[in-house]
Amino acid sequence: GENVEQHPSTLSVQEGDSAVIKCTYSDSASNYFPWYKQELGKRPQLIIDIRSNVGEKKDQRIAVTLNKTAKHFSLHITETQPEDSAVYFCAASKGKSTFGDGTTLTVKP
Amino acid sequence: EAGVVQSPRYKIIEKKQPVAFWCNPISGHNTLYWYLQNLGQGPELLIRYENEEAVDDSQLPKDRFSAERLKGVDSTLKIQPAELGDSAVYLCASSLASGRQTGELFFGEGSRLTVL
Repeated sequence: GENVEQHPSTLSVQEGDSAVIKCTYSDSASNYFPWYKQELGKRPQLIIDIRSNVGEKKDQRIAVTLNKTAKHFSLHITETQPEDSAVYFCAASKGKSTFGDGTTLTVKP
Repeated sequence: EAGVVQSPRYKIIEKKQPVAFWCNPISGHNTLYWYLQNLGQGPELLIRYENEEAVDDSQLPKDRFSAERLKGVDSTLKIQPAELGDSAVYLCASSLASGRQTGELFFGEGSRLTVL
């Protein structure tokens, strides 16, 4: 089955800096790559996604890049703010989503 | 529009007792998922339904776990008997996508189970 690895497991940045989280996947048939944000005690919520026919997608301060050949994709957050502090999960999907183990992002004011 | 609704939010039971979780998906979402989330880990799929059919239950421990989705709407996940290692958050999610297509998952708040 699909295997998703996510790095780093924790990330601490200063407010205003950029944050990058990376994921690799094993199944070349995966065709949908979402990123979810989960605040403490809350439900995971989609923040951005990308499909396999696209290399990059941007939405305001967040962007996702996908390298199908290398089977890895990354989340980029620019101009981080304290409210960006949360756990971020990547997933690789083909009919069902397999999640990484999450990255705890802390943005220090 | 109401989101995915789960109950109970919290449940504390002693080992060997049964427990059941209920999920009401977003109206019109034919695909429903149950995920298990351990502390510090990502959600792990237990079972996926398309309408009332379980299309992927390969990760469901069938000796103690069971699920149903009668009439293709609400779903119930049951554990009997519960073990200490079952302590986790059980997340329900629904999606408009089905079959080989995958789309955004809308999660419920989760049911946190503690087995003593």
